Amino acid sequence: EVQLVESGGVVIQPGGSLRLSCAASGFTFDDYAMHWVRQVPGKGLEWVSLMTWDGSGTYYADSVKGRFTISRDDSKTSLYLQMNSLRTDDTAMYYCAKDLYLGSSGILDVWGHGTMVTVSS
Amino acid sequence: SSELTQDPAVSVALGQTVRITCQGHSLRNYYASWYQQKAGQAPVLVFYNKDNRPSGIPDRFSGSGSGNTASLTITGAQAEDEADYYCHSRDSSGYLYVFGPGTKVTVL
Repeated sequence: EVQLVESGGVVIQPGGSLRLSCAASGFTFDDYAMHWVRQVPGKGLEWVSLMTWDGSGTYYADSVKGRFTISRDDSKTSLYLQMNSLRTDDTAMYYCAKDLYLGSSGILDVWGHGTMVTVSS
Repeated sequence: SSELTQDPAVSVALGQTVRITCQGHSLRNYYASWYQQKAGQAPVLVFYNKDNRPSGIPDRFSGSGSGNTASLTITGAQAEDEADYYCHSRDSSGYLYVFGPGTKVTVL
């Protein structure tokens, strides 16, 4: 079964740092680009970041550029999101999603169930 | 504001047809993908590119596009189709991605 399981979401103070993880299984992880998408409770989806299959390309939404870093460890079939200088408007459910292709197509065919990050003092 | 725009909400009678539209400049150059999200659940891909439906998605879901508009059509809407629907495509730079604000579909 193809599966993505996110972890690492917590309640954290503004200005703090956090690393989210996404464990992948059931497919050849290093054959696909991977994305992070977030959603403020009750609001719409926001694309956050993308890493290509080989790690050569990383892309970020303007709202997180310079603060968030996406990475992957193919040996652990895992995707990560390092989040620094967290702000209250980063509060959201964070989803990991698999791209349909190894480059980046933006077609997200598998999603995890998400991990909740709450930034609050 | 999003680079992709969608109507906030539409309603459809059970068994009837509803079209959800997504507009944006980037859609002149790139296809959209469509996601269904039911309350409390993760999004699910329901249609992508010109004419691709993932396995397991009912054939009542179809897509189309023209100019700066992409559309998702549900032909013969069922109660279980009640959900939020999001379009997704590249942004105007062509390097990044953006979601539309979503359309809430209510099946009456």
